[in-house]
Amino acid sequence: QVQLVQSGAEVTQPGASVKVSCKASGYTFTDYFIHWVRQAPGQGLEWMGWINPKSGDTLYAQKFQGRVTMTSDTSFNSAYMELNGLRSDDTAMYYCSRVRGCSNGVCFPTDYWGQGTLVTVSS
Amino acid sequence: DIQMTQSPSSLSASVGDRVTITCRAGQGISNYLAWYQQKPGKVPKLLIYAASTLQSGVSSRFSGSGSGTDFTLTISSLQPEDVATYYCQKYKSAPRTFGQGTRVEIK
Repeated sequence: QVQLVQSGAEVTQPGASVKVSCKASGYTFTDYFIHWVRQAPGQGLEWMGWINPKSGDTLYAQKFQGRVTMTSDTSFNSAYMELNGLRSDDTAMYYCSRVRGCSNGVCFPTDYWGQGTLVTVSS
Repeated sequence: DIQMTQSPSSLSASVGDRVTITCRAGQGISNYLAWYQQKPGKVPKLLIYAASTLQSGVSSRFSGSGSGTDFTLTISSLQPEDVATYYCQKYKSAPRTFGQGTRVEIK
């Protein structure tokens, strides 16, 4: 069965960086993009960007450009999201999710999600 | 960027009621609209994609409609297990913006 298993909760200080991992199983890792979405406490879902594990291509939401780096390692069927220059308002649950890439003009939604990684930014 | 606006932000209805949630896109997005359900403390779950296609395993109480800029999610007969926040999301192109969510409670 498809699983996306994320790394554990992180507590970090303002100005620091955090790197969250997402290990995929149950499907061919390079057949699907990995998207990252975050959710601040009591707030809605915020799309951050995606990585294509086959090519390494990335696309980031404008809000995060310059602060976020998404990578993948096909040897470990894993994707990573690193966020730099952390602020208190980066405190959130961070989710990875699986999305089939667009093909012949047809695009697809997220169908599987990781369990989430809580990142707490506090001095 | 195309904004996604949901209404209402919250609602309270009785068990068995028909519930409708609206999602409006700032520009036309064809039918590239998904609905997700997120129960408290849980991961979002895909309910509907392509505006009206029910994801496998999802109760037929849920239905979606719309195209272009205006979309609706309908719960035909609200059940206690439907208490959750519902989000729409556009997915034709980036950014894959979500609506702000609609919290559904039982009266």
